[in-house]
Amino acid sequence: QKEVEQDPGPLSVPEGAIVSLNCTYSNSAFQYFMWYRQYSRKGPELLMYTYSSGNKEDGRFTAQVDKSSKYISLFIRDSQPSDSATYLCAPQGGNQAGTALIFGKGTTLSVSS
Amino acid sequence: DAGVTQSPTHLIKTRGQQVTLRCSPISGHKSVSWYQQVLGQGPQFIFQYYEKEERGRGNFPDRFSARQFPNYSSELNVNALLLGDSALYLCASSLEPNYGYTFGSGTRLTVV
Repeated sequence: QKEVEQDPGPLSVPEGAIVSLNCTYSNSAFQYFMWYRQYSRKGPELLMYTYSSGNKEDGRFTAQVDKSSKYISLFIRDSQPSDSATYLCAPQGGNQAGTALIFGKGTTLSVSS
Repeated sequence: DAGVTQSPTHLIKTRGQQVTLRCSPISGHKSVSWYQQVLGQGPQFIFQYYEKEERGRGNFPDRFSARQFPNYSSELNVNALLLGDSALYLCASSLEPNYGYTFGSGTRLTVV
């Protein structure tokens, strides 16, 4: 079993839709949970950063972490064509490397106008 | 403020050759990490350095090595290149290890 599982998609939605992106992980020692957005031919860009379980909201984006079920979610409200990108979840902490980010495969999102 | 800068942006090498990739972190950031991203996959951790000391190493062969300099910039070296080393190599910096990382745009390495 991979440490972080993420459905690669692709996921296609119309503009204005609510998007739900999800990851599961296996290492219960993970403490920090990141979501990155990556545009084609660019490096990942940090979107959300959450410590332990709970919700965090930033504009149109909401990150949720449920440590009891080892489930991470990112919700995008009122999705825009500019949100079209690959979204990567990345838990951190607890593995041998300690502070390495462990990335999922990424989910490719396409928002059509 | 400048972000994380990586050089070169692209390069092509032949199997068996050696390559050095360079990274300059955001000013004030003391932690630098290297990741390899193969097409269609998420980035995979290679190394982390903090205050010039190696803090972690991923599951990569000894052909991969890195170092961090007194000004916190870093180099990643790969010896005896294989075709499978073709990837986007990403550098990320942060204030300290347990914190959000800022990534550079990467160096795209092609091994032929």
